[in-house]
Amino acid sequence: NAGVTQTPKFQVLKTGQSMTLQCAQDMNHEYMSWYRQDPGMGLRLIHYSVGAGITDQGEVPNGYNVSRSTTEDFPLRLLSAAPSQTSVYFCASSYAGGGRGYTFGSGTRLTVV
Amino acid sequence: AQSVTQLDSHVSVSEGTPVLLRCNYSSSYSPSLFWYVQHPNKGLQLLLKYTSAATLVKGINGFEAEFKKSETSFHLTKPSAHMSDAAEYFCVVSDRRNGGTSYGKLTFGQGTILTVHP
Repeated sequence: NAGVTQTPKFQVLKTGQSMTLQCAQDMNHEYMSWYRQDPGMGLRLIHYSVGAGITDQGEVPNGYNVSRSTTEDFPLRLLSAAPSQTSVYFCASSYAGGGRGYTFGSGTRLTVV
Repeated sequence: AQSVTQLDSHVSVSEGTPVLLRCNYSSSYSPSLFWYVQHPNKGLQLLLKYTSAATLVKGINGFEAEFKKSETSFHLTKPSAHMSDAAEYFCVVSDRRNGGTSYGKLTFGQGTILTVHP
């Protein structure tokens, strides 16, 4: 089925470990973005991309890295995990302009101990 | 710059009564506005969107919202609540440039938890 696929769904990391959260979409969307969801804070933008080879920082980029080498994939890298990065992470994509709305993945629940 | 304020963190209604979830926004440019719903431990589903066409927007499951530029509001309503409407609702804004394209960034409100009593 067409959509946004996130892997893994659950992950436990130890402080200082690194990992990559995967996001792939098969709708040929230009825009892709990563959000983290914390209780009472809504979703906050980490990084976003308006096309292959183009990325920019969002509201809370520290500790995260992204790249966009293809239209389909937008991985999020945690460089050195910290307990403050315990959160639920969502990837989203849309056509350029965003007017048709954004499609969200089902999320990755990350716990850093 | 863009921002969103959801005026109620919790709303409680009885089944069959009207629902009103309030949202005010701030935007430097003509905004696109969205309402998303999130059921427990699920992803986000688009309910409806406003992108400068009709100011009264109809969405899925009987929800609708009215864009009021003078009040910078985009409140979500439903005439009759159903038990399955119990969820968290997010109002979302995206700035659009003069050409109508967005910058690719969404700003979320803090969310409103809707509880529906039998």
